[in-house]
Amino acid sequence: QVQLQESGPGLVRPSETLSLICTVSGGSINNYHWSWIRQPPGKGLESIGYIYYSGDTRSNPSLKSRVTISVDTSKNQFSLKLTSVTAADTAVYYCARGRDGYDSWGPGTLVTVSS
Amino acid sequence: DIQMTQSPSSLSASVGDRVTITCRASQGIRNDLGWYQQKPGKAPRRLIYAASSLQGGVPSRFSGSGSGTEFTLTISSLQPEDFATYYCQQYNNYPITFGQGTRLEIE
Repeated sequence: QVQLQESGPGLVRPSETLSLICTVSGGSINNYHWSWIRQPPGKGLESIGYIYYSGDTRSNPSLKSRVTISVDTSKNQFSLKLTSVTAADTAVYYCARGRDGYDSWGPGTLVTVSS
Repeated sequence: DIQMTQSPSSLSASVGDRVTITCRASQGIRNDLGWYQQKPGKAPRRLIYAASSLQGGVPSRFSGSGSGTEFTLTISSLQPEDFATYYCQQYNNYPITFGQGTRLEIE
């Protein structure tokens, strides 16, 4: 059974770049889409974007050009970079398998944007 | 973006009750809809995909129906472990969007 685990800093300064990695274990990253979703504290879910193992990617227009999603198949990992963060980007960030629906999720990691 | 509106926003019920949650889309989405359950401090878990297909390992008391703009999630007989927040999600049109959630509480 595939497992996902997010990793990265829990605190990011305003205007800096949020960087997270999702490590996939128990299965190959190949032949699947992989996504990032976030959830501000006490609020609902927001899709950030997805990447195919081949590198094709798409992100939510609401995040404009701040999002970069990349994949490293040799490490069975994919990653998220979100630039120019503000307090509004404080959230639990989840990685998940899938593009249209998400059948496996990481436990999530809280990222706080604060000086 | 397609807006997804769930009703009710919160619901109190008892073990053994039959519960229905509704999700409406701002435009037609065929059957491109999923339902998720989320417990406090945990990642969401998918229950239903394609509006009515049960995710593997999910108990059969959960069922989904609908197409177009109106969808329902039904729990036929509530169990203690079902008290959680439920979200619908459309994937007909990018970006993927979620409903605001329905919090199911013990009465």
